[in-house]
Amino acid sequence: KAGVTQTPRYLIKTRGQQVTLSCSPISGHRSVSWYQQTPGQGLQFLFEYFSETQRNKGNFPGRFSGRQFSNSRSEMNVSTLELGDSALYLCASSLQGTANEKLFFGSGTQLSVL
Amino acid sequence: QKEVEQNSGPLSVPEGAIASLNCTYSDRVSQSFFWYRQYSGKSPELIMSIYSNGDKEDGRFTAQLNKASQYVSLLIRDSQPSDSATYLCAVNTGSGNTGKLIFGQGTTLQVKP
Repeated sequence: KAGVTQTPRYLIKTRGQQVTLSCSPISGHRSVSWYQQTPGQGLQFLFEYFSETQRNKGNFPGRFSGRQFSNSRSEMNVSTLELGDSALYLCASSLQGTANEKLFFGSGTQLSVL
Repeated sequence: QKEVEQNSGPLSVPEGAIASLNCTYSDRVSQSFFWYRQYSGKSPELIMSIYSNGDKEDGRFTAQLNKASQYVSLLIRDSQPSDSATYLCAVNTGSGNTGKLIFGQGTTLQVKP
């Protein structure tokens, strides 16, 4: 079974631009969560999607948005990029997104904002 | 106060020793607790989960949970150099039975041969 796939692996953008990151969960997994990882803040929860609906949200500004498609694939968008958005963005999937479930992480997208 | 707190370390132990990693959390209603391991340049992977008070053992790993004290710990017995990694404590704070896993900053463990 293929793991969680994130594309692209690396991205370089400039301030003010927008970016879209993609995540394909493990086949059969319906929950997708997104995290931002930086050396200073660690892993921070962005949002969680299940059946095309955002069920949980972290404390990020509205510039960060996401969506999930009917095949459970998810995209994350960041508009009006700031230097502080430079980070590793990790996507994780699980079967139903229940509280006890294990998360399977992708390899991440490394975003650099210049 | 952060929702999940860990000492960032590094925690250095000699090979064969017991490594003790600690974590506190602020949400009293949390019911699910996890330890993930992250090697440098890699993604986190689950090593232990615990849901009720007490100890849970899996091989060389023991997770301990004390909900009254809002405290979770991970013991690694017979530490090996391959255990050198960052250990992330995670607590589920989602509403109902949904997933919203909040991670601590992580504790870096160094096992010296």
